Amino acid sequence: DADVTQTPRNRITKTGKRIMLECSQTKGHDRMYWYRQDPGLGLRLIYYSFDVKDINKGEISDGYSVSRQAQAKFSLSLESAIPNQTALYFCATSDGGRLNQPQHFGDGTRLSIL
Amino acid sequence: AQSVTQLGSHVSVSEGALVLLRCNYSSSVPPYLFWYVQYPNQGLQLLLKYTTGATLVKGINGFEAEFKKSETSFHLTKPSAHMSDAAEYFCAVTQGGTYKYIFGTGTRLKVLA
Repeated sequence: DADVTQTPRNRITKTGKRIMLECSQTKGHDRMYWYRQDPGLGLRLIYYSFDVKDINKGEISDGYSVSRQAQAKFSLSLESAIPNQTALYFCATSDGGRLNQPQHFGDGTRLSIL
Repeated sequence: AQSVTQLGSHVSVSEGALVLLRCNYSSSVPPYLFWYVQYPNQGLQLLLKYTTGATLVKGINGFEAEFKKSETSFHLTKPSAHMSDAAEYFCAVTQGGTYKYIFGTGTRLKVLA
């Protein structure tokens, strides 16, 4: 089983709909992140969380919200989806107890908003 | 502020040829550097990392990278390309104790038969 699991893997929806992307991990890491990937732009940070009570905005948080339901679960919501939120979304984790460790990524959610 | 520049959004090499993917970083403090690979329909996987110590770092699948402080570079190389190396590669930087990982815009490697 994957260490970082994202659901759904693909989603097509309409403008104005509310969407939730879910992420769960079995690595025991305290830090979790949400990124979006767009062609030619690399990965951009949406939100990150260091523990259940710690949520922080990244560089492109407008139009998104998150919830850290447990150490292992971190969900991303689009309250009212718009077409320019069409992208590939990744959840990642890292071990905050050890400095400068790499991140571990899920396989992504491909989101299309019509 | 930290930043990462990957020169060349697309690189093509022949099978068996040298692979060279370029990464330059900007950081006011000693950086920690990573290379990731992304295969189609998958997430990013760690290829190798540099934190401290030896500046030539070996990773998985025959890849290696050399940290050159004077050139602020961390280029990724592989002596002989294989068809299975076709993927997108990302360079990333972070610095001691921070939450922030800064990614380059990626280089898509194509391997020609």
